[in-house]
Amino acid sequence: GDSVTQMEGPVTLSEEAFLTINCTYTATGYPSLFWYVQYPGEGLQLLLKATKADDKGSNKGFEATYRKETTSFHLEKGSVQVSDSAVYFCALRGSGNQFYFGTGTSLTVIP
Amino acid sequence: GAVVSQHPSWVICKSGTSVKIECRSLDFQATTMFWYRQFPKQSLMLMATSNEGSKATYEQGVEKDKFLINHASLTLSTLTVTSAHPEDSSFYICSAPNTDRALEAFFGQGTRLTVV
Repeated sequence: GDSVTQMEGPVTLSEEAFLTINCTYTATGYPSLFWYVQYPGEGLQLLLKATKADDKGSNKGFEATYRKETTSFHLEKGSVQVSDSAVYFCALRGSGNQFYFGTGTSLTVIP
Repeated sequence: GAVVSQHPSWVICKSGTSVKIECRSLDFQATTMFWYRQFPKQSLMLMATSNEGSKATYEQGVEKDKFLINHASLTLSTLTVTSAHPEDSSFYICSAPNTDRALEAFFGQGTRLTVV
């Protein structure tokens, strides 16, 4: 079945450091891939998405590229800020509109 | 943008009691909503699909008599954890597909349930 494997955290970085959170998936066909972010006390918010191979999703300085050959969708940001502290979820959309999530990675950015 | 509101955000209840969690779509109609559960350090796992006007569809291994789902209107789905036990303590979150852009989904804030 469909599944997502995500790098476990927690991750602690200094401000302006480079961020990578690894995500790989298993799916039949070519699913759409997503990164969601959850700030403390809030619901999941869409961060970025990619719908087909080689697509690059980007938002707020974050990027992720849909790599079919490695079945990956790694999240990157060149320079993190304190306000990026949150939990990040990698996900794929199943054929029935349901989502399959990774375990979530908690990121803390310290000044 | 569209918002899904989930209530309560946290609840503590005694073993044997029932707890109801509400999920509302605030500015759009949702004929389908999804309920997820997350154990510590694990993925959000789909529990069931809530369908307006018909019975919910449960994932394998989810007890339908324990987790009652009602989708009474196009903007409200409820999950009731009946006769709760400590092992039901978890994080529950609902979502509704974005009907305008079918690829995405909107998520509620989640409910932290603790059964003592």
